[in-house]
Amino acid sequence: KAGVTQTPRYLIKTRGQQVTLSCSPISGHRSVSWYQQTPGQGLQFLFEYFSETQRNKGNFPGRFSGRQFSNSRSEMNVSTLELGDSALYLCASSLNRGSGYTFGSGTRLTVV
Amino acid sequence: AQTVTQSQPEMSVQEAETVTLSCTYDTSESNYYLFWYKQPPSRQMILVIRQEAYKQQNATENRFSVNFQKAAKSFSLKISDSQLGDTAMYFCAFMKQDGSNFGNEKLTFGTGTRLTIIP
Repeated sequence: KAGVTQTPRYLIKTRGQQVTLSCSPISGHRSVSWYQQTPGQGLQFLFEYFSETQRNKGNFPGRFSGRQFSNSRSEMNVSTLELGDSALYLCASSLNRGSGYTFGSGTRLTVV
Repeated sequence: AQTVTQSQPEMSVQEAETVTLSCTYDTSESNYYLFWYKQPPSRQMILVIRQEAYKQQNATENRFSVNFQKAAKSFSLKISDSQLGDTAMYFCAFMKQDGSNFGNEKLTFGTGTRLTIIP
């Protein structure tokens, strides 16, 4: 079966712009989470969605937002990009609690 | 808040040997899950093994096994008969077991151990 699909794989944006990243979870998975990975901060939790509702949010500024659609696909948006937003953004989906997340290959965002 | 510590930033081992990666965590929760994830250069995080805290039996998945010591809050990963394809970053992760039936709690990751298998 298809895994977690993230698009695009690479993105270059200019400081001040906004960006939208997309994630299609494994069919049947209703829980989708987003993580930011940087060399300095490691892997940090952004937010988690379940059945179109944000259930959990990490410690990120309001410039970071997300949503989930009725088909469980999710998007995250970053407005007013800063250089420090350059990172690998990972999406993960899960079938049920504690089963472990299946991750996508990520979107590498570079802000210049 | 939970913390996960991986004290070995880098390790290397000869192919076919056994290697153990360390992980300790700090939590006041009594029910939780622990995971080991592998991230090869392809960037995709791959679930290697999971452990439920209430289960005393250590989890095993083929060549991968864990040594779970709940009282010591230790969760080490042993890779037997290591292969070149095991070369990757390995992350230990913690998730608390929420009473809710909906959604998931967040994963708290350690800083990772870069493992290199030498031919």
